[in-house]
Order: sequence, then structure tokens, then C-alpha cells
Amino acid sequence: QVQLAEFGGGVVQPGGSLRLSCVASGFSFSTSGMHWVRQAPGKGLEWVTFIRYDGSNTYYADSVKGRFTTSRDNSKDTLYLQMNSLRLEDTAVYYCAKVGGHTHRDWFDPWGQGTLVTVSS
Amino acid sequence: QSALTQPASVSGSPGQSITISCTGTSSDVGAYNFVSWYQQHPGKAPKLIIYEVTNRPSGVSNRFSGSKSGNTASLTISGLQAEDEADYYCSSYTRRSTHVFGTGTEVTVL
Repeated sequence: QVQLAEFGGGVVQPGGSLRLSCVASGFSFSTSGMHWVRQAPGKGLEWVTFIRYDGSNTYYADSVKGRFTTSRDNSKDTLYLQMNSLRLEDTAVYYCAKVGGHTHRDWFDPWGQGTLVTVSS
Repeated sequence: QSALTQPASVSGSPGQSITISCTGTSSDVGAYNFVSWYQQHPGKAPKLIIYEVTNRPSGVSNRFSGSKSGNTASLTISGLQAEDEADYYCSSYTRRSTHVFGTGTEVTVL
């Protein structure tokens, strides 16, 4: 079945960098758009970024634009999120999610189990 | 981009029906039918329960239904069951080619 597994979370100091990975299985990763969504502790969901199936187009939330970069390696069925200039407010569980339909406008389904990123001095 | 507005909490007795509203603007909820709903149990990842305003994925109970009028979308849970106790989030695509989630609603089964 479709599975997504995130890796790479941890504790990082403000201003630091971290790279998250999301390994996909059970579907054609190379033909699927992908999202990153985050959730701060005890808070709601926040959409972060989308990448087209071939990596040719990306969109970002204003809160991370210029600091975060999403990319993918279709030969490894893996999605990445490079996070630079991290701030305290970036502390959250980061989920990767597959595009449920066929375009970047569509819903999120399914989701990975998430990986926790803590920005703290 | 401001979050879509949802009530913080909604409660109901087993067997009752409840409705959760999700209010946005003419730039998101009112602009497209790309509204979806997610159920999240504590410590778990969100799960899709409604997509494109009214559609239910296979395997999701028909007790869940969605609708939209103008800038407000709604999720109705009929025949409320103990297992429905969770947080619920709406989401919409926006004119800025981004996505926005609702503030989230905690559903309590009395």
C-alpha cells in the first residue's frame, strides 16, 4: 500500500540548517506531486511547500520562502526539505503528503507519520 | 495568508449530528471547489475524509458529508460515534497557488 516515511528531524540551534527526507513506497513516486505540511506543538496544520512530479515547479508559504527548499530524487523515491536560517517558530512536526489527485490544487492523501524538528538554543 | 476560521470545539451525544464550519474568503474557499477535510487523532497523522467539497474517499464512513456555500464550507458528522472524537481541519487551495488550513475543531462525544 502507499506509504510515506519522514526522516531527519532533530534539535537545531536558531540560524542553523536541517534536511528532512521522505521516502515513498507503494505508488509511482515519479508521477506524483508532493507537499510538506507542518504542525507546531499543540497547534494547527500549516502548509509549507509543494513540488511538481518532475521537480520543475515549486510553491512555498510566505513564512518559509527564501529559507526552505523542496527537492526530489525520483530515482530514489525520495522527497527532501532543506531548511536554512531556522527560527524558533519553525519548531513543528513536519509531514510529507502525496497529492491526492493530479494537480497541485488537489488534496493531501496520504500523509507520512511526521518527524519532529525542534529549534532551540 | 490567514488561516480559515473554524469553531474551536463542537460537541454532541452519540447518535446526534454535528456540523463544523470553515470560513474563508473569495480568494480561497469561495474561489474553488478544492476544499478538503482531515481527521486527526492525538499523536497521529491527519487522515483525509472529504475532498473537493463533497467527495468521500473509499473506506471513509458515509456518516461524513461536506458542503459549501459562498466562502463557507461545512463538514457534517451524522450518527456521532465515540471514535469520531478527534480534531478536524479544513483546507483550501488559494488564488496565490498556495494552500491554507483551518484553525482546527476539537470534536467531543459526550
